[in-house]
Amino acid sequence: NAGVTQTPKFRILKIGQSMTLQCAQDMNHNYMYWYRQDPGMGLKLIYYSVGAGITDKGEVPNGYNVSRSTTEDFPLRLELAAPSQTSVYFCASRLQGPPYEQYFGPGTRLTVT
Amino acid sequence: AQKITQTQPGMFVQEKEAVTLDCTYDTSDPSYGLFWYKQPSSGEMIFLIYQGSYDQQNATEGRYSLNFQKARKSANLVISASQLGDSAMYFCAMREANKFYFGSGTKLNVKP
Repeated sequence: NAGVTQTPKFRILKIGQSMTLQCAQDMNHNYMYWYRQDPGMGLKLIYYSVGAGITDKGEVPNGYNVSRSTTEDFPLRLELAAPSQTSVYFCASRLQGPPYEQYFGPGTRLTVT
Repeated sequence: AQKITQTQPGMFVQEKEAVTLDCTYDTSDPSYGLFWYKQPSSGEMIFLIYQGSYDQQNATEGRYSLNFQKARKSANLVISASQLGDSAMYFCAMREANKFYFGSGTKLNVKP
């Protein structure tokens, strides 16, 4: 099993550009999550999904969109990138039920200039 | 209000000694979960330990234990016999329904 994979690993965007961060998992997990981690800070939840076709907002959803058409994939779309979106983005997945452990991808480091 | 508070930005501990990392949480949900994750300088998130709100006993995983004090809303991580490889950021997190909230982290440095 590859676990949770994220692409790209690094990306530099210009202000106003758009991009999609890819996330895939091969563990048949229903629950998937997108977080951002600003320098020296903890993770903040952007969006999450409890299954294909079902998504919901987290703490910091503004400027982002998600879709979940399959169990495996959960892409995060940034529209009109802004410098405030410079961050490391983590995708995670988990099974339903305890211990509710999230399996994290390696992260995508995004810089908006 | 902050859901998770970690008041120790940085800590030092001597190798082979025990260390406690503090975490307090805020929720009115009777069913919740508490977690600790380790983030080494390489950046990956490593799950350490989980405590459910209804669990009667404190969780333990090898050298890690979670000191769960429900009335005080605290979930401190105790690392016994610290090793040099324990130097990392440590994050406390809480699950409320399907959402997770993370604290700002504690940077632990283990001295030889």
